[in-house]
Amino acid sequence: EAGVVQSPRYKIIEKKQPVAFWCNPISGHNTLYWYLQNLGQGPELLIRYENEEAVDDSQLPKDRFSAERLKGVDSTLKIQPAELGDSAVYLCASSRDGVDEQFFGPGTRLTVL
Amino acid sequence: GQNIDQPTEMTATEGAIVQINCTYQTSGFNGLFWYQQHAGEAPTFLSYNVLDGLEEKGRFSSFLSRSKGYSYLLLKELQMKDSASYLCALYSGTYKYIFGTGTRLKVLA
Repeated sequence: EAGVVQSPRYKIIEKKQPVAFWCNPISGHNTLYWYLQNLGQGPELLIRYENEEAVDDSQLPKDRFSAERLKGVDSTLKIQPAELGDSAVYLCASSRDGVDEQFFGPGTRLTVL
Repeated sequence: GQNIDQPTEMTATEGAIVQINCTYQTSGFNGLFWYQQHAGEAPTFLSYNVLDGLEEKGRFSSFLSRSKGYSYLLLKELQMKDSASYLCALYSGTYKYIFGTGTRLKVLA
């Protein structure tokens, strides 16, 4: 079984530039999560999808962050414009349903200069 | 709200037993997860406790006491490859997952 796929693995951009991350969850997993993880910290939930529906986006800074999961499979997370403080690892995870263990992708390490 | 506390760092010797504690303050939750995360890698699932008591999986065991507001992860026969961060996470239903800051475990030869 293929795992959660994320791309790119690394991204370096200048502040005020846009950036997008892509995630392909494990086949058949209805629930998809985007997390932000700073060094030495646990993952912090940004948004959670049940199929196409964003069921929890309360922690997503909506002035600059957006996400979509149009067909209930792949998802993209976008930041526009990026700020220095956005430098972190962005993790995508999926689960069969909301109560199951989560399977994490390798993450995208974003550096904003 | 939900606050989760874990020790920042622990050190143990190869072959030993180590207990990593997780305490929390919450009004209610469905279950508690433990994940392992090696440096630069994604977290991987270790265990999930719904009921009070001990769940054993090989060298790893996890314990939950709802009345006392804590959980622990027990690692036996430590190996060098167990050097990693261990994350405690609460699932409170209504789609809420909260992760602790993690405990960085160093296993020494």
